[in-house]
Amino acid sequence: EPEVTQTPSHQVTQMGQEVILRCVPISNHLYFYWYRQILGQKVEFLVSFYNNEISEKSEIFDDQFSVERPDGSNFTLKIRSTKLEDSAMYFCASTTTGFSSYEQYFGPGTRLTVT
Amino acid sequence: AQTVTQSQPEMSVQEAETVTLSCTYDTSENNYYLFWYKQPPSRQMILVIRQEAYKQQNATENRFSVNFQKAAKSFSLKISDSQLGDTAMYFCALLNYGGSQGNLIFGKGTKLSVKP
Repeated sequence: EPEVTQTPSHQVTQMGQEVILRCVPISNHLYFYWYRQILGQKVEFLVSFYNNEISEKSEIFDDQFSVERPDGSNFTLKIRSTKLEDSAMYFCASTTTGFSSYEQYFGPGTRLTVT
Repeated sequence: AQTVTQSQPEMSVQEAETVTLSCTYDTSENNYYLFWYKQPPSRQMILVIRQEAYKQQNATENRFSVNFQKAAKSFSLKISDSQLGDTAMYFCALLNYGGSQGNLIFGKGTKLSVKP
C-alpha cells in the first residue's frame, strides 16, 4: 500500500542553522500539508500546499518557514534559522481529492532537535 | 476558535475488554468531519474512523465505533474486544470543509495501553 515517507527520521541541528525536512507524498496525491507536534503538546497545523503554492498557513508558519515542491515528487519544509522552540516532531500529510477530502495520509514524522 | 479536547491523557484496558476514549470539540461551522487517528509507537498516524457531521448515524468500523452527540459536541471512540495491537496514541481531530479550509485540528491525544 502506498505510504507517505519522510527523511530524515531524526535531525539534530544547532540554533541558527537552516534545516530542510523532506517528504515524499503518495504519488497521485495533489494536496500536501505540514504539521508539527512539540513534545507533550497537540499536533498543530503549519501549512497546506496545492498547485505549487501555499493555500493556507497558520500563525506558526512565519517568515522563517518555507515549503517547496522542487521536482514533482518531494515536498520540503525549510526552516531558515532554527530556534530552540522549533524542536518538535514534524509530520507531512497528503490527500488526493481536495481540501474537503476527509482522509489525510501521514508520514512517520521527522524529529527535529535544536540545540 | 475551533478546539478539540481529549481529557484522558492515558488509559489502559485488559485484552478483550471494551474501552471508550472521550473527545469534545468546539466549532462554529456547520460543515465538518470528525476523525479518530491512531499512532502506534514509532509509526505514522492512520485513520481509524470518521464521522460526517451531517449524518446522524454513528460510524462503525469493525471493532471501532463512535458516539457522536452533535448538540453536546461530543465524539467518543469505543473499542470493543481490545487487542494488543490497539496499543497506541489516539488522536481526535476536526476538519472544517467548505472554502479553502482543509487542515485538521487535533486534540492532545490519549495513550491507550492494552494489557494481556
